[in-house]
Amino acid sequence: SAVISQKPSRDICQRGTSLTIQCQVDSQVTMMFWYRQQPGQSLTLIATANQGSEATYESGFVIDKFPISRPNLTFSTLTVSNMSPEDSSIYLCSVLWAGVNQPQHFGDGTRLSIL
Amino acid sequence: GENVEQHPSTLSVQEGDSAVIKCTYSDSASNYFPWYKQELGKRPQLIIDIRSNVGEKKDQRIAVTLNKTAKHFSLHITETQPEDSAVYFCAASMGNFNKFYFGSGTKLNVKP
Repeated sequence: SAVISQKPSRDICQRGTSLTIQCQVDSQVTMMFWYRQQPGQSLTLIATANQGSEATYESGFVIDKFPISRPNLTFSTLTVSNMSPEDSSIYLCSVLWAGVNQPQHFGDGTRLSIL
Repeated sequence: GENVEQHPSTLSVQEGDSAVIKCTYSDSASNYFPWYKQELGKRPQLIIDIRSNVGEKKDQRIAVTLNKTAKHFSLHITETQPEDSAVYFCAASMGNFNKFYFGSGTKLNVKP
């Protein structure tokens, strides 16, 4: 099966700084998504990463805080900007291959702690 | 938008017993229902899914049932084993590359 690589796997950052998380897939995918999962909680969709155009953000998430890029069909980045302790969470990318009613597959996630 | 509710939030069973987790959804346009298992510190992994043209699907000890009229679907695990201990998430989607709406999760603990 395809490999979804997410980097970094974890990081500890200072408040006010920014961190870019990468998601690389070893085959072309139709859709890529970014989620946030706080400890003991469910998966919250941040945005859908659109290839070659601006991401589609969910309510409560804005581009200035979470800029997303998707330059091609196998790669996407999520930046968490101007971080505060409330941004401490696990960030997950997921991908969807072509086909009707297919499951999303997740990367291993990035565990982010803000001091 | 779609709203998915999941119950119970925690479930503790004895090894060998069955476990049932239930989800309800609000939008009748949803037609695809995957279930994910997430072990501590790991990624969510698909364990089974069902499409709206099917009422039940089984894969070894795991089965999923769907009642479109009542808008609910359930995960059934038989002969539970300690390695089944994890958090389970249901989800609903309207298909055609639409986003997934996840339930709040069920923490299953299988006691040896």
